[in-house]
Amino acid sequence: GENVEQHPSTLSVQEGDSAVIKCTYSDSASNYFPWYKQELGKRPQLIIDIRSNVGEKKDQRIAVTLNKTAKHFSLHITETQPEDSAVYFCVAFSTSGTYKYIFGTGTRLKVLA
Amino acid sequence: NAGVMQNPRHLVRRRGQEARLRCSPMKGHSHVYWYRQLPEEGLKFMVYLQKENIIDESGMPKERFSAEFPKEGPSILRIQQVVRGDSAAYFCASSPQGGVYEQYFGPGTRLTVT
Repeated sequence: GENVEQHPSTLSVQEGDSAVIKCTYSDSASNYFPWYKQELGKRPQLIIDIRSNVGEKKDQRIAVTLNKTAKHFSLHITETQPEDSAVYFCVAFSTSGTYKYIFGTGTRLKVLA
Repeated sequence: NAGVMQNPRHLVRRRGQEARLRCSPMKGHSHVYWYRQLPEEGLKFMVYLQKENIIDESGMPKERFSAEFPKEGPSILRIQQVVRGDSAAYFCASSPQGGVYEQYFGPGTRLTVT
């Protein structure tokens, strides 16, 4: 079945450094890749997304890259701040499939002040 | 425009009782998705419904779990004879139609089985 692998599971960085989270998906029909940030006890919040017709998208300190051939996509956070500390999930989705989000296993990011 | 609403936000049930979780989609949305998040894990798809139709229930456990989305009223996720392993956060999401990219998540219901 569909699967999304996410690495690393935990990541600690110093404030101001960059953080990179990587995901690999299995369903070649996937064409939409959102990233969610989840703080403790809260709902997942969409922070950035990318569609399969582009290779990179940036929004201030956050960027996402997509390599469709390799089925890899990554989240890059620059100039990290303590409030970036949370669990981040990548998702793969296909508009031609069953319309369910396939979530990665999550990365717990801790930004050390 | 109110977002996706879920209630209750917290639900405590004893083993063997029934749990009913409700989800009201965003206004104008007729597609609802339920996801389960076990502690320290990612969200797992359970079921996808349109009004009066179950489209995909491939993530639903075969027994004790059921879902509906009636013509009027919220979508209901029902868990019969709950067990401790059902303790989790249950999130629903909605979209205006199938095959669109964005799903909008509700705040979740945290079910605790004692």
